[in-house]
Amino acid sequence: DIQMTQSPSSLSASVGDRVTITCRASQGISSWVAWYQQKPGKGPKSLIYAASSLQSGVPSRFSGSGSGTDFTLTISSLQPEDFATYYCQQYKSYPLTFGGGTKVEIK
Amino acid sequence: EVQLVESGGGLVQPGGSLRLSCAASGFTFSTFGMNWVRQTPGKGLEWLSFISSNSASTPYADSVNGRFTISRDNAKNSLYLQMNSLRDEDTAVYFCARSRYYNGWYYFDYWGQGTLVTVSS
Repeated sequence: DIQMTQSPSSLSASVGDRVTITCRASQGISSWVAWYQQKPGKGPKSLIYAASSLQSGVPSRFSGSGSGTDFTLTISSLQPEDFATYYCQQYKSYPLTFGGGTKVEIK
Repeated sequence: EVQLVESGGGLVQPGGSLRLSCAASGFTFSTFGMNWVRQTPGKGLEWLSFISSNSASTPYADSVNGRFTISRDNAKNSLYLQMNSLRDEDTAVYFCARSRYYNGWYYFDYWGQGTLVTVSS
């Protein structure tokens, strides 16, 4: 199975901050990574697919980069509605696997 | 608007069975692959199974293979998960998620809100 190691597990940031979350795959997965945002009591929401493609309707302050084993999700200017938990996921091969999540909290 | 609404969760004893449903609306259900994913505080998000649009392909995670069965009824715009031989560790929130095809691969573009399954005596 492909392991997805996400860091940090949590971070505190202020509105307007630039936030970066990283995800490392245990083997090369080309660009087959997606990023999701989840708020308490809700299902995840798709943000990024194919490592850097923005899902329709997602604000442009979200961006993704990387290929091979190392991937990054960046929020260029954190907004109040962005406080949530973020997950990476590989979809290169079954079983599809997720990172452990990064909780973004208000400083 | 795409909507996925899970139902069927509840309290069940170890060794018991439960059938989850996911009602889909706002899109042509018969043309999309679908998935079940669960979430626990301890193990995070865990993909369980995928079913192709025509039900021809149904891979499973090792943790549920042989105990859970995914199925769909395109006429009813519904996805199902039959869960048998339930264990304590199957306690989780269960989500259905739609697969979107992009350049030869599938990612999840829409998720439901989840239904809680509790396995306990």
